[in-house]
Amino acid sequence: EPEVTQTPSHQVTQMGQEVILRCVPISNHLYFYWYRQILGQKVEFLVSFYNNEISEKSEIFDDQFSVERPDGSNFTLKIRSTKLEDSAMYFCASSEAQGFSYNSPLHFGNGTRLTVT
Amino acid sequence: QKEVEQDPGPLSVPEGAIVSLNCTYSNSAFQYFMWYRQYSRKGPELLMYTYSSGNKEDGRFTAQVDKSSKYISLFIRDSQPSDSATYLCAMSQSSGGSYIPTFGRGTSLIVHP
Repeated sequence: EPEVTQTPSHQVTQMGQEVILRCVPISNHLYFYWYRQILGQKVEFLVSFYNNEISEKSEIFDDQFSVERPDGSNFTLKIRSTKLEDSAMYFCASSEAQGFSYNSPLHFGNGTRLTVT
Repeated sequence: QKEVEQDPGPLSVPEGAIVSLNCTYSNSAFQYFMWYRQYSRKGPELLMYTYSSGNKEDGRFTAQVDKSSKYISLFIRDSQPSDSATYLCAMSQSSGGSYIPTFGRGTSLIVHP
């Protein structure tokens, strides 16, 4: 079964550094998402992406964050000037259609654990 | 009031028990209701989804939606140790609103042999 893959599985970085988290969505999917889960807290929406542009973003997704689809397969999340509170699991997801529809659920990757020291 | 409320647990039950997991919500515009299962250090995996009110059954799992009470449930029959995971409810609007699912905190379920 096709799956969403994320790399790296664990990223450790120093405060103030930039990180890029990478995702390969399912190949026939058109909508891509990033979610964040701080330890012990709920899964929070960051951003959705369609047709090479952001379609929706949350309040969390400020100027510190950016997303890109640099080629036909990868989808990246860049976090600039990382802060301690950016430490979390970051999940990429993809779907065939927008958001959630009856026949097009979100498929999640296994996440990247980001640790900012 | 938070949009989606879910008791984090943990909920510990013996093997074979019937498990009831619940969420409440405040946004009456939610139309799609989903349950995800998340094993440790893995991404959420969609278990079941329903549209609007009613029940849906899939094997040992039954999802119920009561829109009048803004309350959804997931029942697991004949629970197994392999069901031990965190169960996340999620909900989204249909046309006219955001399709982006909003998640609850998740309930940690432990099924012991």
